[in-house]
Amino acid sequence: KAGVTQTPRYLIKTRGQQVTLSCSPISGHRSVSWYQQTPGQGLQFLFEYFSETQRNKGNFPGRFSGRQFSNSRSEMNVSTLELGDSALYLCASTHGLRENTEAFFGQGTRLTVV
Amino acid sequence: KQEVTQIPAALSVPEGENLVLNCSFTDSAIYNLQWFRQDPGKGLTSLLLIQSSQREQTSGRLNASLDKSSGRSTLYIAASQPGDSATYLCAVWDRGSTLGRLYFGRGTQLTVWP
Repeated sequence: KAGVTQTPRYLIKTRGQQVTLSCSPISGHRSVSWYQQTPGQGLQFLFEYFSETQRNKGNFPGRFSGRQFSNSRSEMNVSTLELGDSALYLCASTHGLRENTEAFFGQGTRLTVV
Repeated sequence: KQEVTQIPAALSVPEGENLVLNCSFTDSAIYNLQWFRQDPGKGLTSLLLIQSSQREQTSGRLNASLDKSSGRSTLYIAASQPGDSATYLCAVWDRGSTLGRLYFGRGTQLTVWP
């Protein structure tokens, strides 16, 4: 079965701009989580969506937002980009219902803010 | 708040050695624990999922154990190969949170030289 698909793979944006990243989960999975990975901070949780509802949120400013569509695809948006937003953004797909669930990650979107 | 620690941060070994990577977590109330591999600039690949009721899980040359009471997991890699070179990440599903959030360690960067 198809894996988790993230688009685009690479992005270069200018400070002050906004960006939208997309994540398509594994078919049948209803939960999508987003993580930011930087060399200095490691993997940090952004938020999680399940059945179009944000179920969990990390400690990121309001410039970071997301949404999930009825087909479980998710997007995250970052407004007013800062240099510090440069990172690898990863999304994870899970069933979202069962206790003993396994997470599958996409290849990530590398965002560079200049 | 759940905190995950991985030791060592980096490991460099000759081909053929058997390796042990360590992971510890502060709150033993977890659903399960998952080990991942990450190649430079890429996404995370799931290696093993250990459910909270299990003590260990095996896949090929990999064996992972879980001791919830002591808050520890070990990833054992037998007969290491240069292709095993990557960063290995440990993550836990915490019962204190929803199912959508994984808590990650900072990883062990492994280099296996011929």
